[in-house]
Amino acid sequence: AQKVTQAQTEISVVEKEDVTLDCVYETRDTTYYLFWYKQPPSGELVFLIRRNSFDEQNEISGRYSWNFQKSTSSFNFTITASQVVDSAVYFCALSEAGGGATNKLIFGTGTLLAVQP
Amino acid sequence: GAGVSQSPSNKVTEKGKDVELRCDPISGHTALYWYRQSLGQGLEFLIYFQGNSAPDKSGLPSDRFSAERTGGSVSTLTIQRTQQEDSAVYLCASSSAPRETQYFGPGTRLLVL
Repeated sequence: AQKVTQAQTEISVVEKEDVTLDCVYETRDTTYYLFWYKQPPSGELVFLIRRNSFDEQNEISGRYSWNFQKSTSSFNFTITASQVVDSAVYFCALSEAGGGATNKLIFGTGTLLAVQP
Repeated sequence: GAGVSQSPSNKVTEKGKDVELRCDPISGHTALYWYRQSLGQGLEFLIYFQGNSAPDKSGLPSDRFSAERTGGSVSTLTIQRTQQEDSAVYLCASSSAPRETQYFGPGTRLLVL
């Protein structure tokens, strides 16, 4: 069965600190996608990144970076020099990619990040 | 371009009444998804539409829930005989094709009194 675990329920940091959000996943599929979404207080889910299971290269986008490690089934997200605007709930998600798959997203329970000024 | 839109933004209803929630996907997107976000259950998949194929209804929690997608575009999620446990935020997402990134609308917050 597919499962996504975000063990950190809440994290509080002070502005300019670096913070890493953990994500561990379970799947029997060899082909799958991993995602991170941000949900600010306004409530809308904002797409951040999509990673194919065959691409283990880490990715950096500005202050955001992602570390994908198939050996540990992890897809961690790091925010460098955090800012108050980064305060939100962050969701990690998994979807199948095989033929006939629904491609529904299986979400973790989310991590609430609070960045204090 | 325009993103996914949903209406109404908020809906308050009485237990036992029927409600309809609407989703307008991004123009040209063939795949459409409904999810539900509640305190107790987190974010959970409800139903998936892809083109003219039969929808995947495997996530619908009971037969009181149904959805349709007309003309391959707008979708309506209907909840009959609402219960208090149906109170949640109902989110719609669309993607340009299966396996592509899903983009979410702002959601409809449903409160059943």
